Amino acid sequence: NAGVTQTPKFQVLKTGQSMTLQCAQDMNHEYMSWYRQDPGMGLRLIHYSVGAGITDQGEVPNGYNVSRSTTEDFPLRLLSAAPSQTSVYFCASSYSGGQSGANVLTFGAGSRLTVL
Amino acid sequence: GNSVTQMEGPVTLSEEAFLTINCTYTATGYPSLFWYVQYPGEGLQLLLKATKADDKGSNKGFEATYRKETTSFHLEKGSVQVSDSAVYFCALNTNAGKSTFGDGTTLTVKP
Repeated sequence: NAGVTQTPKFQVLKTGQSMTLQCAQDMNHEYMSWYRQDPGMGLRLIHYSVGAGITDQGEVPNGYNVSRSTTEDFPLRLLSAAPSQTSVYFCASSYSGGQSGANVLTFGAGSRLTVL
Repeated sequence: GNSVTQMEGPVTLSEEAFLTINCTYTATGYPSLFWYVQYPGEGLQLLLKATKADDKGSNKGFEATYRKETTSFHLEKGSVQVSDSAVYFCALNTNAGKSTFGDGTTLTVKP
């Protein structure tokens, strides 16, 4: 049982390049989300999804695009990378309902992105 | 909107000292409250949670009580160990997979 898998772990981009951060989960969770972590700023929500075919913006969506064609996958696309997007990115999944584990986020290991 | 305010760090303690990390929140509705921990080089993982007022979450000697009257969820541990050195995040969730996080508190425990 892999949980949440993110790739790549590290990436260096030049300003203006595009790339996709991959995220996959094997727990059949309906909710998936992307956060970025910057020093002293905690985690900020970029985009999230409540199910296949449904996505919405979080707190800091500009410059990022997402889609959710399957329950398992939730890729994050950087359209034209900027130095301000240098950060550590975390994908997370969770499920709703009345069970004890509901709304607990399971995180991937993170992807460290540097934009030069 | 929802927000979480966490005690500013970093916090440095000697082994076996008592730990408190303060967390207060603002939320619409009835949030669930969480503490997550991030060890160096790793992703976040759940430490403990509480889903309604007066609930106490506990795990690995850490405790936090959901106080609706003071909108707080302070993290405590009676005797910290070097292995507790990590970044601690307070978070809330109201619905639909959206969680709001505090800025994180870095704890260093010295032998």
